[in-house]
Amino acid sequence: SQQGEEDPQALSIQEGENATMNCSYKTSINNLQWYRQNSGRGLVHLILIRSNEREKHSGRLRVTLDTSKKSSSLLITASRAADTASYFCATDARANNLFFGTGTRLTVIP
Amino acid sequence: NAGVTQTPKFQVLKTGQSMTLQCAQDMNHEYMSWYRQDPGMGLRLIHYSVGAGITDQGEVPNGYNVSRSTTEDFPLRLLSAAPSQTSVYFCASRVTSGSSGANVLTFGAGSRLTVL
Repeated sequence: SQQGEEDPQALSIQEGENATMNCSYKTSINNLQWYRQNSGRGLVHLILIRSNEREKHSGRLRVTLDTSKKSSSLLITASRAADTASYFCATDARANNLFFGTGTRLTVIP
Repeated sequence: NAGVTQTPKFQVLKTGQSMTLQCAQDMNHEYMSWYRQDPGMGLRLIHYSVGAGITDQGEVPNGYNVSRSTTEDFPLRLLSAAPSQTSVYFCASRVTSGSSGANVLTFGAGSRLTVL
């Protein structure tokens, strides 16, 4: 069973716009992570937010975490064509393994 | 520094055949894992290992076998391939086997398997 679910499943925006994707999860967590996957490639870690943090920034990325709602959001500001990829949230619910959501496919149109 | 290396990148099997997907990492990571990725399903954990000689099952272990004889290598064996095992397989590793603060995974490039 999936620990996380991303919303929306797909998102298409113009270059320069902001992209927001959301993640909901089911159980208590120690931390939540976001990964990016370019087409035909492996996943690459973007950012980690701990359960006692509410917001974190890294470059053009902003992640929020609401443990009371069991949800997180990833905001990519001033998007670029190179941001086109699938984005996954992952939580460490059981035995310190990571469990991934179904992903959001982001397309940034130049 | 190669990171996580998976071979082969592509493989076609017939139902009932067996094969091994290879995974090697050169980062001295204790923890290694195998995921499969299917459309609309995200990534699902097959097996994982917290160190040499120690393996455990993930969410979808049936039909797969693993071993961890060295820190560097974590092969995934398909004993009798079935069409339901058609998928993209990813190997991933991280530094520690425990500690919630350090479970960021490094992924390989993936192995695409088709079972006819």
